Amino acid sequence: NAGVTQTPKFRILKIGQSMTLQCTQDMNHNYMYWYRQDPGMGLKLIYYSVGAGITDKGEVPNGYNVSRSTTEDFPLRLELAAPSQTSVYFCASSSPGTSGSYEQFFGPGTRLTVL
Amino acid sequence: DAKTTQPPSMDCAEGRAANLPCNHSTISGNEYVYWYRQIHSQGPQYIIHGLKNNETNEMASLIITEDRKSSTLILPHATLRDTAVYYCIVRSDSNYQLIWGAGTKLIIKP
Repeated sequence: NAGVTQTPKFRILKIGQSMTLQCTQDMNHNYMYWYRQDPGMGLKLIYYSVGAGITDKGEVPNGYNVSRSTTEDFPLRLELAAPSQTSVYFCASSSPGTSGSYEQFFGPGTRLTVL
Repeated sequence: DAKTTQPPSMDCAEGRAANLPCNHSTISGNEYVYWYRQIHSQGPQYIIHGLKNNETNEMASLIITEDRKSSTLILPHATLRDTAVYYCIVRSDSNYQLIWGAGTKLIIKP
């Protein structure tokens, strides 16, 4: 299993540009999440999904959009990039597991800079 | 979800037990305590979780006080590879979301 994969690893955007961060998991998890992490801070939830076709907002959804057309994929779309969106973005997935832990498995992250 | 309070940083000697405290004084009866760690800006890694009872796995032990207002993560024999930021998180049984604080930066010294 590859686990959770994210592309790209790094990206530099100009203000006002758009891009899609890709996230794929091969563990057949129903739950998927997008977080952002600013330097020295904990993770903040942007959007999450409890299954294909179902998405919901987290703490900091403004400026982002998501879709979940399949169990495996959960892309994050940035429209009109702003310097405030400079951050590291992590995708994660989870399922109840044998102990009901809902342990979240994380991808390696995408480091995004908006100039 | 209840908030947690952790010290911003701690040191521990290699080979000794690392004890990381967490305060969650407003925790509710259906809320679990989770611990994750993040090594050098990698994606966070799950360590352990518990509700009321103490828990142990191959990575660590989790000690939860009887009133559930605080807990301690114990790494029994810390190695240099355990240097990381450790996050204590409280999660409701009815909510899949995790609310992350700033965590404790644990530095293991040779």
